[in-house]
Amino acid sequence: QVQLVQSGAEVKKPGASVKVSCKASGYTFTTYGISWVRQAPGQGLEWMGCISAYNGNTKYAQKVQGRVTMTTDTSTSTAYMELRSLRSDDTAVYYCARDAVVPGARYRDYWGQGTLVTVSS
Amino acid sequence: QTVVTQEPSFSVSPGGTVILTCGLSSGSVSTSYYPSWYQQTPGQAPRTLIYSTNTRSPGVPDRFSGSILGNKAALTIAGAQADDESDYYCVLYMSSGIWVFGGGTKLTVL
Repeated sequence: QVQLVQSGAEVKKPGASVKVSCKASGYTFTTYGISWVRQAPGQGLEWMGCISAYNGNTKYAQKVQGRVTMTTDTSTSTAYMELRSLRSDDTAVYYCARDAVVPGARYRDYWGQGTLVTVSS
Repeated sequence: QTVVTQEPSFSVSPGGTVILTCGLSSGSVSTSYYPSWYQQTPGQAPRTLIYSTNTRSPGVPDRFSGSILGNKAALTIAGAQADDESDYYCVLYMSSGIWVFGGGTKLTVL
């Protein structure tokens, strides 16, 4: 069965960086992409960006462009999201999700359990 | 910056039918936006209900259906049940290659 298992909660100081991992299993990693979506406390979902596990191509939301880097390690079927220059408003639960692009459809289906990142001095 | 709009809240009686919508601040939603719908309960990860306008994710009951209604994407929940009480999010794929979420609809079943 498809599973996405994320790394544990993090507490960071403003200005620091965080790197969240998302280990995939139950499917051929390189035939899908990974999106990262975050949710601040009490707020809605925010798409941050995505990466193709096939060729490493990325697309980032304007809001985090320049501070975020998404990568994959195909040898371990793991995706990573690094966010730099953290601010208090980066405090959120970060989710990874499997992305698919097939003829006539684009979607994400399976989700990780989420990783809480708290930015506090 | 394109804004994706959803009703902030909605209420439905048990057994009733509700239609949640997903629009654009400017323009109409079409299938080219590959609208998707997610259900989320507090403390849980989102669950994919519908993708590419009207395709149900595996395991999703056929009480949930997606469509385009007028100039918006729509999620119809028929025969509402108590455990449908959740937050519902739509997301649209923009021509620039980014996805934009709506603000979510809090559905109450009472």
